Amino acid sequence: ELKVEQNPLFLSMQEEKNYTIYCNYSTTSDRLYWYRQDPGKSLESLFVLLSNGAVKQEGRLMASLDTKARLSTLHITAAVHDLSATYFCAVDMEYGNKLVFGAGTILRVKS
Amino acid sequence: DTAVSQTPKYLVTQMGNDKSIKCEQNLGHDTMYWYKQDSKKFLKIMFSYNNKELIINETVPNRFSPKSPDKAHLNLHINSLELGDSAVYFCASSQALRGYSYEQYFGPGTRLTVT
Repeated sequence: ELKVEQNPLFLSMQEEKNYTIYCNYSTTSDRLYWYRQDPGKSLESLFVLLSNGAVKQEGRLMASLDTKARLSTLHITAAVHDLSATYFCAVDMEYGNKLVFGAGTILRVKS
Repeated sequence: DTAVSQTPKYLVTQMGNDKSIKCEQNLGHDTMYWYKQDSKKFLKIMFSYNNKELIINETVPNRFSPKSPDKAHLNLHINSLELGDSAVYFCASSQALRGYSYEQYFGPGTRLTVT
């Protein structure tokens, strides 16, 4: 059974500093997604990574995928308050349209 | 012009009751999903439908029965509600092909509270 592990589960960030969230998964997949969820809200798609070596950037966030290491990272550059949210990675099972989510990483940016 | 909508947004009911949650997407997608998010924010897929055909059915109790009248709608009916069913239920959709996948778009969620 596919396991998806995120770490850290909680990240208290200082403004303007850089941080990385890691997403490890246990079986072969070359499709990984990152989502953001604000409290009481739905999930918003951030990045779709569909091959080994894929790198996507949007603003202060950059996501990458290494399928050989079964690892994706979400890098935050110069954290700002409006990045506070819960971030989920989700891995697509190879055989179909099923996402398995990590437990989520709660990000809080301290002023 | 909401892409994926769900009704109701909140549902409070007593144990043993039967309830339904409705989902509609206007994105023209051919695959729809139901997810359950528990109190610890853990998200787990329950069902997925492709063109009205059930393709994923995770180990969900038989009390949960999805129905897709057409590819734009996926409803979830729950019989004999239990306390453990309390959660947020998200509907999602994607334009997916078998063996491949595209990003999923999530609805606003339905917070179900069973008392």
